Amino acid sequence: DTAVSQTPKYLVTQMGNDKSIKCEQNLGHDTMYWYKQDSKKFLKIMFSYNNKELIINETVPNRFSPKSPDKAHLNLHINSLELGDSAVYFCASSQAGTSGGVYEQFFGPGTRLTVL
Amino acid sequence: AQSVTQLGSHVSVSEGALVLLRCNYSSSVPPYLFWYVQYPNQGLQLLLKYTSAATLVKGINGFEAEFKKSETSFHLTKPSAHMSDAAEYFCAVTNRKGSTLGRLYFGRGTQLTVWP
Repeated sequence: DTAVSQTPKYLVTQMGNDKSIKCEQNLGHDTMYWYKQDSKKFLKIMFSYNNKELIINETVPNRFSPKSPDKAHLNLHINSLELGDSAVYFCASSQAGTSGGVYEQFFGPGTRLTVL
Repeated sequence: AQSVTQLGSHVSVSEGALVLLRCNYSSSVPPYLFWYVQYPNQGLQLLLKYTSAATLVKGINGFEAEFKKSETSFHLTKPSAHMSDAAEYFCAVTNRKGSTLGRLYFGRGTQLTVWP
């Protein structure tokens, strides 16, 4: 009954490689997010999709490309990995409040990416 | 723009003692505020949220927080700490009521240590 799941949980790779992280939510939410948590635990939003449409695109290198095949999935593809990409990446989802109100975000367990 | 400041990156208390984690926010419009907890190697879990209803908000695991507009604060408290409360705590703000964006701005986190 996992709400927000991510695969893989750990990812170790060499510089220059291309890798993907997958995220799925079974909560029926219409909005999904990617966050990056650095070594000092600071959380920063990278992208947000609402109904498969890109809504938030922060200042992130264009080596990072999100893809949302449907409302329940948001994948993150990273090209030409660099040492500085090492971090924990969290996927989250929420349901937009169309008539007012703010709904909390539900987070996945994270993917720890280590670039060697 | 919104921002959150968490005073004290590390807080240590004895088991049974009061827990107080400080959060101050900056927002040009009425904010919506959240506290999340992150246990080691896990994702973020919502503790509680303030969305302009009661200013004293009760959450899970015995935590509560009080919204004080005059002080722009949303401090998290628990009367009696338990060993299982040891974790990283994040305060977050958003102000897009009714928006599909739901952009959260996180504080830098406070690591809570509980001594036996």
